Amino acid sequence: GNSVTQMEGPVTLSEEAFLTINCTYTVTGYPSLFWYVQYPGEGLQLLLKATKADDKGSNKGFEATYRKETTSFHLEKGSVQVSDSAVYFCALTPRIGNKLVFGAGTILRVKS
Amino acid sequence: NAGVTQTPKFQVLKTGQSMTLQCAQDMNHNSMYWYRQDPGMGLRLIYYSASEGTTDKGEVPNGYNVSRLNKREFSLRLESAAPSQTSVYFCASSESRSSNQPQHFGDGTRLSIL
Repeated sequence: GNSVTQMEGPVTLSEEAFLTINCTYTVTGYPSLFWYVQYPGEGLQLLLKATKADDKGSNKGFEATYRKETTSFHLEKGSVQVSDSAVYFCALTPRIGNKLVFGAGTILRVKS
Repeated sequence: NAGVTQTPKFQVLKTGQSMTLQCAQDMNHNSMYWYRQDPGMGLRLIYYSASEGTTDKGEVPNGYNVSRLNKREFSLRLESAAPSQTSVYFCASSESRSSNQPQHFGDGTRLSIL
């Protein structure tokens, strides 16, 4: 079946540090890939997406590249801020249909 | 701009009680979804509605029913609540069931079953 695996957290960084959250997936065919972010007490918000191989999604300084050869979609940011503290979810939809499959989520804590 | 609105935000039930969670979206989206979020498991799809008048089971449908009342509203019902249904429930909507359409989420309903 389809699945998404994310690195376990929590990830704790100092402000202005470099962030990488690893995400790999298993799916039949070629999915669309997403990163969602959940701030405390809120629902999920779309952070970025990529719909085909080698696409790079970017938003608010975050980036992720759709790597078909390694079935990965790692999230990166060059300089994190305290306001980036949240839970980050990697997710996919299979080529047909729009049923999201989520990873378990990674908690990010940024200290000032 | 409300987006996806869920009610109630919090609820405590006793085992065996029934409950309906309400969800409404004002974005004229065709597709709507119900998820549950449990620690360490991400979100799992309970039911979805690809378009008005249709509903289908997701990954974890047992113990739940849904109704797509109209294009705007999609409700989730627990007929006889069980402690295993203690969770945070999220409703979402998307413009279509195309795989590249992002989903927009409500703020969730935190449900505890005693």
